[in-house]
Amino acid sequence: GAGVSQSPRYKVAKRGQDVALRCDPISGHVSLFWYQQALGQGPEFLTYFQNEAQLDKSGLPSDRFFAERPEGSVSTLKIQRTQQEDSAVYLCASSIGAAYSNQPQHFGDGTRLSIL
Amino acid sequence: DAKTTQPNSMESNEEEPVHLPCNHSTISGTDYIHWYRQLPSQGPEYVIHGLTSNVNNRMASLAIAEDRKSSTLILHRATLRDAAVYYCILRAGNTGKLIFGQGTTLQVKP
Repeated sequence: GAGVSQSPRYKVAKRGQDVALRCDPISGHVSLFWYQQALGQGPEFLTYFQNEAQLDKSGLPSDRFFAERPEGSVSTLKIQRTQQEDSAVYLCASSIGAAYSNQPQHFGDGTRLSIL
Repeated sequence: DAKTTQPNSMESNEEEPVHLPCNHSTISGTDYIHWYRQLPSQGPEYVIHGLTSNVNNRMASLAIAEDRKSSTLILHRATLRDAAVYYCILRAGNTGKLIFGQGTTLQVKP
């Protein structure tokens, strides 16, 4: 279907390596959100974009985490010098309206990142 | 960020109604009440949201207390596919982010 697509579905990396996670939002959706979900926990907010503008990055855990959405469509979450505590499922969501609107967020199935 | 309190787990029988409670005593006047659910190995799925009045859609109903300090998600006839973690979330009017708690794990027995 035409849902939010995330790739890869699974990523295994060695500690210290850099990784890049991709999110393809629903076509035409203005807002895009990233969340991190540790095993057995609820998702935690990382950052969000409205078009290409990153409006809130308060949830990024450290400066090793970087997100971009240069053309207001596809987004990439990059993690540099990965650590074991970065192991989690990374979820992307998109919404048709402005970030502050109450439009539903549509989630992808996530990328499961494992750091060895 | 205003917090919500939900039971850790609930059980239901198939084809019976399910009432999932949520307490949010510190809710502010501009906070919307959102419900999402998450099936195993999937991302969260939007269920319903409301501000003051009760809301109905094809998936569920949302009953909001008059003082807005609590709400209840109602699944009218539970099916096995409704087994999931249900999250009650307060979404402030000036932010796009969702603050998830631990949620309620719903088990549906055949």
